[in-house]
Amino acid sequence: QKEVEQDPGPLSVPEGAIVSLNCTYSNSAFQYFMWYRQYSRKGPELLMYTYSSGNKEDGRFTAQVDKSSKYISLFIRDSQPSDSATYLCAMSAPNTDKLIFGTGTRLQVFP
Amino acid sequence: GAVVSQHPSWVICKSGTSVKIECRSLDFQATTMFWYRQFPKQSLMLMATSNEGSKATYEQGVEKDKFLINHASLTLSTLTVTSAHPEDSSFYICSATTGRSTNIQYFGAGTRLSVL
Repeated sequence: QKEVEQDPGPLSVPEGAIVSLNCTYSNSAFQYFMWYRQYSRKGPELLMYTYSSGNKEDGRFTAQVDKSSKYISLFIRDSQPSDSATYLCAMSAPNTDKLIFGTGTRLQVFP
Repeated sequence: GAVVSQHPSWVICKSGTSVKIECRSLDFQATTMFWYRQFPKQSLMLMATSNEGSKATYEQGVEKDKFLINHASLTLSTLTVTSAHPEDSSFYICSATTGRSTNIQYFGAGTRLSVL
């Protein structure tokens, strides 16, 4: 079993839809949770960062962490064609600087 | 803030030659930099962790003599692919942390290496 599981998709939605992206993990020591967006042939771009449990909102993006269920989510409201990309979840434990990545979910938002 | 610049963005070389990729933190000092390799439609694979002034720590299965990493300053790390072969063709990405104990990594734009 992988430490971090993420559905690879692809996920195809119409413009304006609410998108839900999720990751599950097995290591209860993880405390730092991140979502990155990666466009084709580009490096990952940090979207959201959450420490421990809770919600965080930034514009159209909301990140949720449920440590009791070992489950994290990223919601995108009013999705746009420019949101079409691969979304990677990443997480790490204290006392290490390595990130453990999910496989990434390909999202396509069509007009 | 937290901008990481990676150069070149694309390089084509002949088999047997060496290629150097640079990774710079532009607006912060990066105590730790990371080098990843990414195959098409796959996630990032960590190759090595590099700390300024010390030898890089390579992940299992990564050839140290093939992928030379130098972290000469707090803003610059380089990856040299020595005697490159077609199987080394890939997308290489660097990242850096700001050292603020958030574990956030900021990524460069990546380098596409094509070995003929």
